[in-house]
Order: sequence, then C-alpha cells, then structure tokens
Amino acid sequence: EPEVTQTPSHQVTQMGQEVILRCVPISNHLYFYWYRQILGQKVEFLVSFYNNEISEKSEIFDDQFSVERPDGSNFTLKIRSTKLEDSAMYFCASSVVTVNQPQHFGDGTRLSIL
Amino acid sequence: LAKTTQPISMDSYEGQEVNITCSHNNIATNDYITWYQQFPSQGPRFIIQGYKTKVTNEVASLFIPADRKSSTLSLPRVSLSDTAVYYCLVGAQEDQGGKLIFGQGTELSVKP
Repeated sequence: EPEVTQTPSHQVTQMGQEVILRCVPISNHLYFYWYRQILGQKVEFLVSFYNNEISEKSEIFDDQFSVERPDGSNFTLKIRSTKLEDSAMYFCASSVVTVNQPQHFGDGTRLSIL
Repeated sequence: LAKTTQPISMDSYEGQEVNITCSHNNIATNDYITWYQQFPSQGPRFIIQGYKTKVTNEVASLFIPADRKSSTLSLPRVSLSDTAVYYCLVGAQEDQGGKLIFGQGTELSVKP
C-alpha cells in the first residue's frame, strides 16, 4: 500500500536556525497538509496546500512558516527561525480530494529545538 | 463544526470486543463521521468512515443510529497491538478547507 514518507525522522536544531522538513505524499494525491503535535497534546492543523497554493492555514502558521512543492513529488515545511516552542512532532498528510476522503499521514518528524 | 465528546481512556483485555462511543449532538446534515487511530510516535491512521447505519471493514465496524447524534466504533477481539489513541472526527471537509480537527481522543489500553 502506498504511503506518505517523511524525512528526517528526528531533527535537532539550535534555536534561531532554519529547518526544512520533507515529505513525499502519495503519488496520485492532490491535497497536502502539515499538522503538528506537541508532546502530550492534540494533533493540530497547520496548513493545507492544493494546486501550488495554500488553501487554508491556522493561527500557528505565522510568517516563520512556509510550504513548498519544489517538484512533482516533494512537499516541504520550512521554519525560518525556530523557537523552543516549535519542538513537536510534525506530520505530513495527503488526500486524493478534500471532500470526505481520508487523509493519509506519514510517521512524522520529531523536531527538537535546543 | 460539530463538537465531539468521547471517553478519555478505556481499558480492555485481549480477545474482548471494544466499543468506543462518540457523542456529536450538533452534527450537520452533510457531516460524515470518521475515526482515526494513532500509535505512539506515529501519524494518525484512517480506520473507518460512515454517514448512517452501519459500516464494516476488515479492521472495525461503525454503528450510527438514525438520529446520528452519536456513533460507536467497534473493534472485534482486540489484541495488544490495538493499544492506541482513537479519534472521532465529525465534519464535511469542504467546510473546513480540508483540515481535520482532532480532539483528545480515547486512549485504549489492551492488557494481556
């Protein structure tokens, strides 16, 4: 069964540094998402992306965050200047369409900010 | 968006059937009910989705009464590997821009 893959599985970064999290969505999927989960808390929506544009973003997704689909397979989340509170699991997801279709999640990147 | 309420935690033993009920009193006409499962250090995984009555797949069954104000996820004969957090989500994704709104979920612990 096709799956969403994320790299790296664990990223340790100094506060203030830029970090790029990478995702390869399922190949025939058209909608892409990033979520995060702070340890012990709920999974939170960050951003959705379709047709090379952001469809929706949450309050968390401020100017420090950006997303890009640089080629036909990768989907990236960049955090420009990381803060301690950015430490979390970041999950990428994709779906064929948005309307009542399940989203397929990767196993996440654990981001640790020192 | 319909608010959902589900138990914070449940315990079970291997081989038992587990039923997790989710309340969603304000469900809208075009809302679907979707359940996800999450193991520690993994992303959520889609289990099952339904609109009304009963849906069954190889993993679980979903029971939805006629008024659709609640739903029950049924896991037959659970094993230790079913220990996970189970999330009930209600909504029509076109209304939410595709985003999923996760609650705290139900932490299921299966004991030997």
